[in-house]
Amino acid sequence: GNSVTQMEGPVTLSEEAFLTINCTYTATGYPSLFWYVQYPGEGLQLLLKATKADDKGSNKGFEATYRKETTSFHLEKGSVQVSDSAVYFCALTPPRGGGSTLGRLYFGRGTQLTVWP
Amino acid sequence: EPEVTQTPSHQVTQMGQEVILRCVPISNHLYFYWYRQILGQKVEFLVSFYNNEISEKSEIFDDQFSVERPDGSNFTLKIRSTKLEDSAMYFCASSSLGSYNEQFFGPGTRLTVL
Repeated sequence: GNSVTQMEGPVTLSEEAFLTINCTYTATGYPSLFWYVQYPGEGLQLLLKATKADDKGSNKGFEATYRKETTSFHLEKGSVQVSDSAVYFCALTPPRGGGSTLGRLYFGRGTQLTVWP
Repeated sequence: EPEVTQTPSHQVTQMGQEVILRCVPISNHLYFYWYRQILGQKVEFLVSFYNNEISEKSEIFDDQFSVERPDGSNFTLKIRSTKLEDSAMYFCASSSLGSYNEQFFGPGTRLTVL
């Protein structure tokens, strides 16, 4: 079946530290992969995505590369800021014909990131 | 910037009562979704909706749940007889015709069943 596993939180970092949040997935074929972010009191916001192997999604200094060989989509940022404090969710949608029609998202558990000044 | 809105932000109800959670998707979007997140657990898909009918539903979406698009703007989730285990954050999402897998989420409704 389809599933996403991401590293357990919480993650606590100092400002300007390097961030990695690990995400691996199980799916048939080539799913689309996503990172969503949820700031306190807000909904889930799409942070970045990648739709095929070796694609790199990037946004706001965050990056993630779609690695088919390791079934991974790890989130990285070179220098975190206090404003990056949020919950980060890795997610996938199966390829068309992969048991889903309208882009049903499968989420990981979320990783709470806290950045201290 | 257009956004998905949800009301109420917090709903408290007694077990066995019916609740309706409301969502206003982004105006030109055609695909609509409900997800839920029980505290401390994963965000789980409930149902997707297109062209006035359910496209896909998960095993969670049993006969107690229903969805409706009663007019051109609202998208509702009804739980007929709430159970304690329905307590969760419920998220509505929508996506456009050209980017069905890029979903925009609302802020959620926290449902508490007592």
